Amino acid sequence: GAGVSQSPRYKVAKRGQDVALRCDPISGHVSLFWYQQALGQGPEFLTYFQNEAQLDKSGLPSDRFFAERPEGSVSTLKIQRTQQEDSAVYLCASSADRVVERPNEQFFGPGTRLTVL
Amino acid sequence: SQKIEQNSEALNIQEGKTATLTCNYTNYSPAYLQWYRQDPGRGPVFLLLIRENEKEKRKERLKVTFDTTLKQSLFHITASQPADSATYLCALPRKGRRALTFGSGTRLQVQP
Repeated sequence: GAGVSQSPRYKVAKRGQDVALRCDPISGHVSLFWYQQALGQGPEFLTYFQNEAQLDKSGLPSDRFFAERPEGSVSTLKIQRTQQEDSAVYLCASSADRVVERPNEQFFGPGTRLTVL
Repeated sequence: SQKIEQNSEALNIQEGKTATLTCNYTNYSPAYLQWYRQDPGRGPVFLLLIRENEKEKRKERLKVTFDTTLKQSLFHITASQPADSATYLCALPRKGRRALTFGSGTRLQVQP
C-alpha cells in the first residue's frame, strides 16, 4: 500500500500478558518512529530507527518495552507483562530523509489501540 | 525541559470565519516547527512546516506564522468549513534528535 500500516488496529490484553504490535512503513523510508498517545494528549516519542539501527530509545518508559526492525523495513513494538497504564494508542511513523524542503515530515499509521484489563 | 503548550479548550467557530490556533514553547530554539491534523481514530497528517528564518508560510487556506522571539506559532484557517473540524497538533524537533515533541493539540469545531 501507499501509506503506513499497523496491525492489529485494536488489542485487548489481560494484565501481565505480552503483546506485539506491528508497523509496515512506507517502502523506502529510512526512518521509523514509535509514539504513544494517551487520550486527549499529543503523541509521546518512544523510539527511533534509522534502517535497522535503533538510534534513540530514550522515550521507552521501562524495560518492559522493546522494539526491533531487523531488516530495516517492518518494525515490531513488544510490551512485556502489560500493565493498565500501558493502555494507549501506539502510533508508528516513517520518514524519508532527503526531502530538503520538508525536513522530518512524518507519515503516520492509523495506530494500534491497546487496552489492558 | 522543553515544553509545548496549545489551547486545551476546544475552539468553536462558525463556517466561513477564520480559525486561529496558538502554539507556545519554552526552553527551546527549534530550527523549524510543524503542524499536523488528526482526525478521531487516525494518525496525525502533516500540514505545514515553517523554518526559524521564515515569518510566515501559506498553503491554500492555511497560514502559519513563527515568532522566535515570542516563542510562538499561530496557525490560521481562513474561510473555515465543517470539514476542517479536527484536532490540530504543533510539533518541534527534539533537540539534537530526529523525533518530534508534540503539543497536546487543540480541537477545532466548525459549525455550519
